[in-house]
Amino acid sequence: QITLKESGPTLVKPTQTLTLTCTFSGFSLSTSGVGVGWIRQPPGKALEWLALIYWDDDKGYRPSLKTRLTITKDTSKNQVVLTMTNMDPVDTATYYCAHRPDSTWYFDYWGQGTLVTVSS
Amino acid sequence: QSALTQPASVSGSPGQSITISCTGTSSDVGSYNLVSWYQQHPGKAPKLMIYEGSKRPSGVSNRFSGSKSGNTASLTISGLQAEDEADYYCCSYAGSNTVVFGGGTKLIVL
Repeated sequence: QITLKESGPTLVKPTQTLTLTCTFSGFSLSTSGVGVGWIRQPPGKALEWLALIYWDDDKGYRPSLKTRLTITKDTSKNQVVLTMTNMDPVDTATYYCAHRPDSTWYFDYWGQGTLVTVSS
Repeated sequence: QSALTQPASVSGSPGQSITISCTGTSSDVGSYNLVSWYQQHPGKAPKLMIYEGSKRPSGVSNRFSGSKSGNTASLTISGLQAEDEADYYCCSYAGSNTVVFGGGTKLIVL
């Protein structure tokens, strides 16, 4: 059974760096084709894809946020970490991590999400 | 990379069929048969309903179906039920290891 869970701060100040961790079970990020993505959702708004990391350490980023995002993986710990620099109140959102199956472009398992508020 | 275009809301009565459109460009929806659809109830994580345009994951009702024509993908829900009331999002591969979501559609079951 695949499960994912996001963890990190619930409140960050403007200009600070956000670090979120996705801890998963039921699959390995060393399996060919597998990936983990991050998606966020501002309150009352639509889903926004942020980043994706693959089994081979290849990565993809939302073009408009590419300079602020870094995604990394720790295969031994079954974790994926997303960092976002220079946080702004508009970055207030629920952040989800999700499993991408073998060499595909959809997300079949999602974490419960974690709400991050950016405020001074 | 702009969000895919979806209607803000659609509505239907129980038992009816509804279709939600998702319009992209020749760089995303039009170039790949890699559109997925997600259902999201309030306060919950999204749930995969359709992948690769028209495939249903195990456990998803066959009342849900997907299709594509040109730059527009569609999700059809037949035999509408009260539990189908939710937000629906389309998503497409957009090349260069990126994906793009739609703006979301609120389905109202009258």
